[in-house]
Amino acid sequence: EAQVTQNPRYLITVTGKKLTVTCSQNMNHEYMSWYRQDPGLGLRQIYYSMNVEVTDKGDVPEGYKVSRKEKRNFPLILESPSPNQTSLYFCASTWTSDTSNTGELFFGEGSRLTVL
Amino acid sequence: GQNIDQPTEMTATEGAIVQINCTYQTSGFNGLFWYQQHAGEAPTFLSYNVLDGLEEKGRFSSFLSRSKGYSYLLLKELQMKDSASYLCALLDDKLIFGTGTRLQVFP
Repeated sequence: EAQVTQNPRYLITVTGKKLTVTCSQNMNHEYMSWYRQDPGLGLRQIYYSMNVEVTDKGDVPEGYKVSRKEKRNFPLILESPSPNQTSLYFCASTWTSDTSNTGELFFGEGSRLTVL
Repeated sequence: GQNIDQPTEMTATEGAIVQINCTYQTSGFNGLFWYQQHAGEAPTFLSYNVLDGLEEKGRFSSFLSRSKGYSYLLLKELQMKDSASYLCALLDDKLIFGTGTRLQVFP
């Protein structure tokens, strides 16, 4: 089954404790992206990747890191989480990095993170 | 910029028709998406408009007018399961989402 898989789905952590949210897709998509969703603010892009070893900042990259060592995986790293990073996080992917041909985004099920 | 405006909330009755509007300010973009998102779940693709006009998909239709900076999503024969948020998103060099419209369908 074609899907984007995120883990963990739910996490409660404390300020400063490094954590990684994994994202994996099995559709051979080139483009992958991380979003956070907060009430009243909608989906905001954190980082995106056009292909392996190519990553770029989105609109709200502060406090986050990403890597793209393999095509299928795009982990989101919070080196020192803070309470303002409490949010619902979505990973998404699509077929091509060419924005003139980009198809629909396929989203993971979301990871709800709480930082105390 | 690409400010995207949608109504925050709408209500409608089962079986009715509802139109969710999306206005934007941008000089150019590749296309406009509509996504559906049920509470606590991932967004799912509904439609993608590149050219002006109406795209129909069953009970859902999406319309785009580039010259007027305007799109709408039309939902017909509303069902209870259509209660969800509807996100308008512009594709330029990246995908920019509006804050979404929360639709509640009542019996």
